[in-house]
Amino acid sequence: QKEVEQNSGPLSVPEGAIASLNCTYSDRVSQSFFWYRQYSGKSPELIMSIYSNGDKEDGRFTAQLNKASQYVSLLIRDSQPSDSATYLCAPPRGTGGSYIPTFGRGTSLIVHP
Amino acid sequence: GAGVSQSPRYKVAKRGQDVALRCDPISGHVSLFWYQQALGQGPEFLTYFQNEAQLDKSGLPSDRFFAERPEGSVSTLKIQRTQQEDSAVYLCASSPMTSGSYEQCFGPGTRLTVT
Repeated sequence: QKEVEQNSGPLSVPEGAIASLNCTYSDRVSQSFFWYRQYSGKSPELIMSIYSNGDKEDGRFTAQLNKASQYVSLLIRDSQPSDSATYLCAPPRGTGGSYIPTFGRGTSLIVHP
Repeated sequence: GAGVSQSPRYKVAKRGQDVALRCDPISGHVSLFWYQQALGQGPEFLTYFQNEAQLDKSGLPSDRFFAERPEGSVSTLKIQRTQQEDSAVYLCASSPMTSGSYEQCFGPGTRLTVT
């Protein structure tokens, strides 16, 4: 099993809709989880971090974490065409006392007007 | 303030040539990471430094890849005898790694093309 699993998409949603992005991971000791957004030809940028079970909201973004199910999701409300990008899930894996963010292949999101 | 910078932004190398890619992390960031990103894939971990110590190099694909961070700031990723499969974007990221924060800031990347 890969360490991080994401549906590669593309996920296509109309402008104004809710986009739901999902991620499962295999490292049970992961304590923190990150979502990065990557526009085509650009480097990843951090958009959300979540450390405990439940929901965390930041503007139009909500991250949901379920450690028992090893599942994390990202909801984008009122999707905009500018949200069109690849979204990377990155749960850290433990190594030598540190944690290294490990990336999935990402889900491509297309928001059409 | 200045973010993570990388140079060169683009590099074309003939197969068999050696290349050196540079990363300048955010000042004061303890941790530095190198990733390789092939087209259509997520970033793949290569190696990790905490200050000048290379704590994990398990992602380096072969002994042709070598990374260093001698003074705990600037880092160089060297690829010897480049092969076509080395063509990718090489991303550098740094992190303060304080109080359990592992959030990374990425540089713009170096796009390496091996012909």
